[in-house]
Amino acid sequence: GENVEQHPSTLSVQEGDSAVIKCTYSDSASNYFPWYKQELGKRPQLIIDIRSNVGEKKDQRIAVTLNKTAKHFSLHITETQPEDSAVYFCAASTSSYKLIFGSGTRLLVRP
Amino acid sequence: GAGVSQSPSNKVTEKGKDVELRCDPISGHTALYWYRQSLGQGLEFLIYFQGNSAPDKSGLPSDRFSAERTGGSVSTLTIQRTQQEDSAVYLCASSKPGQSEGYTFGSGTRLTVV
Repeated sequence: GENVEQHPSTLSVQEGDSAVIKCTYSDSASNYFPWYKQELGKRPQLIIDIRSNVGEKKDQRIAVTLNKTAKHFSLHITETQPEDSAVYFCAASTSSYKLIFGSGTRLLVRP
Repeated sequence: GAGVSQSPSNKVTEKGKDVELRCDPISGHTALYWYRQSLGQGLEFLIYFQGNSAPDKSGLPSDRFSAERTGGSVSTLTIQRTQQEDSAVYLCASSKPGQSEGYTFGSGTRLTVV
């Protein structure tokens, strides 16, 4: 079955700097790659997603890139702010329903 | 409803007791999922419902875990003879049929087995 690996497990950046989180997946049939943000004690919330027919997608300060050949995808956050501090999860789906999640990255943005 | 609703939000139970966790999905979302999140860990898939049937139960960790869904809406996850390793946050999500995007999570039930 699908396996998703995520790195780093923790990331600390200075406010205003960029943050990059990387994920790799094992199943070449995966075609949907969402990213979720989970603030402390709250539910995971979808922040951006990408499909396999697209190489990059941007939404304001957030972007996701996908390299199908290498089977990896990344989340890029520019001009980080303290409110970006949270745990971020990547996920992959080979089917129309099940998401397999990475282990999460705890991002700390230092003021 | 407006969002995915889970109850109770917190549950403390004694080892060996049975517990029931409830999930009420977004109206019109026929797909429903249960995930488990252990402390500081990722989200572990447990079971998927499409309507009232569960075509994928591959993530249920043991036969102490079961789930049902009635009326294509509310789902109940039951854990029998709870063990300390069952302590985790149990998250429910729902989505429109045939789409893994638009996955909306509930706030979860934090289960503590003492």
